[in-house]
Parts: sequence; structure tokens; C-alpha cells
Amino acid sequence: DIQLTQSPSFLSASVGDRVTITCRASQGISSYLAWHQQKPGKAPKLLIYDASTLQTGVPSRFSGSGSGTEFTLTISSLQPEDFATYYCQQVNSYPPFTFGPGTKVDIK
Amino acid sequence: EVQLVESGGALVQPGGSLRLSCAASGFTFSTYEMNWVRQAPGKGLEWISYISGSATPIYYADSVKGRFTISRDNAKNSLYLQMNSLRAEDTAVYYCARRGRYIKAFDYWGQGTLVTVSS
Repeated sequence: DIQLTQSPSFLSASVGDRVTITCRASQGISSYLAWHQQKPGKAPKLLIYDASTLQTGVPSRFSGSGSGTEFTLTISSLQPEDFATYYCQQVNSYPPFTFGPGTKVDIK
Repeated sequence: EVQLVESGGALVQPGGSLRLSCAASGFTFSTYEMNWVRQAPGKGLEWISYISGSATPIYYADSVKGRFTISRDNAKNSLYLQMNSLRAEDTAVYYCARRGRYIKAFDYWGQGTLVTVSS
């Protein structure tokens, strides 16, 4: 099975900050990586698929990059509504459809 | 508008059974692969089961294999999860999630239903 790790697991940042989250896969997954955002008490929401493609309606301050085993999610200017937990997910080799452990972005 | 609405969550005793449902609308249900994903309190997301549009193939996570059964009724636009031999560690919010036809990620999620396994 493919394992995903995320760093950091927790991030404290201010409105307007540039934020970068890293996801690493235990083996190559081409570009078949997605990023989901989850706010407390809510369902996850797809932000990015195929490593770098923004889902319809997602603000352009979100961007993704990477391929193979290393991927990043960047928020160019953190907004109040972006405080949430972010999960990466691989959809290249399944089962299972692995999720990363999550990165919580909190207000500094 | 795509909508996924889960139901069936409840408090159940260890060893008990429960059936979750997910009602789909706003898209041609039979042409989409569907999944169940759960989240234990304060924990991350765990994929637990997948079913193709035609109901073959079906996959399970090792943690639920042999105890849970995924199924679908395309005529009723519904997805199901039959959960047997429930354990305390199955306590979680259970989400149904659609896998995109061209976007291979999980592109829509339901709001979730809470299953609590406790005596």
C-alpha cells in the first residue's frame, strides 16, 4: 500500500501569510494526488486534483504542484476562511485510496 | 446540483449491526464510482470501501473487510453500507463520496452520519 505523510502536521499563521504544506508518497504516484479542505464539523471539500488543477470555484490563491513522490499545496495569501485542516489523497494505486494524516492551519 | 445525503447513523452496541444509506441526486448516479470514508472523533480521514458504477469491482479497507458490505441500487440512486460485528473503533462520522468520471479524485462528499458503537 502507498503511504502518505504530510508536513507540518500543525501550522500557525496570520491572515495574509503565504502557507505551504508538503505531502510525500512512499512510492511514485505520477500526478494522481488530490487536496481536500475540511472545516470543523463539515464534510471535506475537494480543492485540487491531478496535483495542480484547481477544482471549479476554488479561489486562485490556492495552488498545487509536484509529481512522483513529493507534492505541495500553497495558499498565496491566507484568508480567514482558509483556517481548516488540509488532507492530501492519492488516487493512483488502489485499493486503498490513501489519505495523508492532515495539516491543521490555525490562526496565529 | 450534486447532492449526497447520508442517513442511518445511530448508537449501537458492540457486536451489533447497522445499515447506512446515501441518497444521490443531481447527476447520473449509475455512471459514477462511489466510496465510503470515515472519520473517528478528532482523527483523520480513512477510506473504507469503493464500488464501481456497475457494482463490480468492490474494494474494502483491511479494517472492515469481512464485516462491512457496500452495495448500490442504481434505480433508486442510492448507496449503502451494511455494517456487522461493530466494534468501538468503528465509532466515526461516515461520509459517502463520489469519484469523478474525469477527475479521478473524490469530487463531492455528503454531510456525514454519525455511528457510535458503545454499550
